[in-house]
Amino acid sequence: DAGVIQSPRHEVTEMGQEVTLRCKPISGHDYLFWYRQTMMRGLELLIYFNNNVPIDDSGMPEDRFSAKMPNASFSTLKIQPSEPRDSAVYFCASSQAGAYNEQFFGPGTRLTVL
Amino acid sequence: GQQVMQIPQYQHVQEGEDFTTYCNSSTTLSNIQWYKQRPGGHPVFLIQLVKSGEVKKQKRLTFQFGEAKKNSSLHITATQTTDVGTYFCAGRPDEDFNKFYFGSGTKLNVKP
Repeated sequence: DAGVIQSPRHEVTEMGQEVTLRCKPISGHDYLFWYRQTMMRGLELLIYFNNNVPIDDSGMPEDRFSAKMPNASFSTLKIQPSEPRDSAVYFCASSQAGAYNEQFFGPGTRLTVL
Repeated sequence: GQQVMQIPQYQHVQEGEDFTTYCNSSTTLSNIQWYKQRPGGHPVFLIQLVKSGEVKKQKRLTFQFGEAKKNSSLHITATQTTDVGTYFCAGRPDEDFNKFYFGSGTKLNVKP
């Protein structure tokens, strides 16, 4: 298996622009997680899905952030409008049986908002 | 606030020295997972502990889950330069199964 796939790997955009991050989980995994990592705040769980349904989105910073999982093999994290403080590395991870099993992380998307 | 804290934040050791990082939760946890993230990389799962007082070993790494299931530790014996990275603990609180928290991480640097 190719592992968790994220795209793009790097994104540089200007403040106010819409940003869409993409994730393809490992086939057969029924949980998908979105994380944000910064030096200041560490690794934060933003939202996670079970069988394409959002279970906990309490980590989503504000209404500018939204996440969808239209099917078992694809998820998006959208930021609209983006702000400089959104600059971070965004990781997607997938697992079987949620937090009771190991999570496999993707390589991450490094987002820079100018 | 932060549910899972780790200390120390940074640790610099000479190759061959031992290293320990501690993970403390404000509430009891149903499980503890440990991950390692190499510089520029992504977190990689190391191990999971679920039982009170559980101890697991992986070569030079020893993982413990506290009796009260509120703390955990990772001990590395005789560090090597390949151990460099940030070590994270993560767990699910008993009080809310929908939550999952990562610790703040301990960054380990090993000097050859």
